[in-house]
Amino acid sequence: VLTQTPLSLSVTPGQPASMSCQSSQSLLQSDEPTYLYWYLQKPGQPPQLLIYEASHRFSGVPDRFSGSGSGTHFTLQISRVEAEDVGVYYCMQSLQLPRTVGQGTRLDIK
Amino acid sequence: EVQLVQSGGGLVKPGQSPRLSCRASGFIFGDFTMSWFRQAPGKGLEWVGFIRSNNYGGTTEYAASVKGRFSISRDDSKSIAYLQLNSLNGEDTAVYYCCKGARLYDYWGQGTLVIVSS
Repeated sequence: VLTQTPLSLSVTPGQPASMSCQSSQSLLQSDEPTYLYWYLQKPGQPPQLLIYEASHRFSGVPDRFSGSGSGTHFTLQISRVEAEDVGVYYCMQSLQLPRTVGQGTRLDIK
Repeated sequence: EVQLVQSGGGLVKPGQSPRLSCRASGFIFGDFTMSWFRQAPGKGLEWVGFIRSNNYGGTTEYAASVKGRFSISRDDSKSIAYLQLNSLNGEDTAVYYCCKGARLYDYWGQGTLVIVSS
């Protein structure tokens, strides 16, 4: 089970934002990447990949997004929120079957 | 450019068996696992299952909620992945997304809405 906090976040443009994803089981496996991913689903769109293997930015993702964490606790940070960042952020694990997704953190702009 | 274009779905009656399609382009389709997710109205994402590349046997995995009712297949000659929906009920009402990959889902289809209602 992946538990995301907070469930919602309201941020002023230019300010930082941070959200967490807690896994009920460790996603650490020796000699394997950490299969924890972050996705953003903008309104009316499919999810888009932001961060893969806990801390790697996907191609084209602005460097204001960063992921960190290991084991059971992971964090997504946005250094300076922009209006285009609104949507729901999901963490997902791909270590085990079934793949599981957190309930999402909704980000809106103040 | 990688594209996943979905078709199928719409309003279906309980007991009907629609098939969703996901046509891929821009990558070597046969080399990749293809996955399906769904999202009930106003809810989060739920993994449905995937089909491995035929290089890995073309085997499938499913979520417990759909196992035995849904079936994923692929036609590598046409670069299409399919999701066959059987024994539908109202809880299957959702937007269904196909995506490329088994662990890292880097490209997603636009989604197709399936509404199960009599």
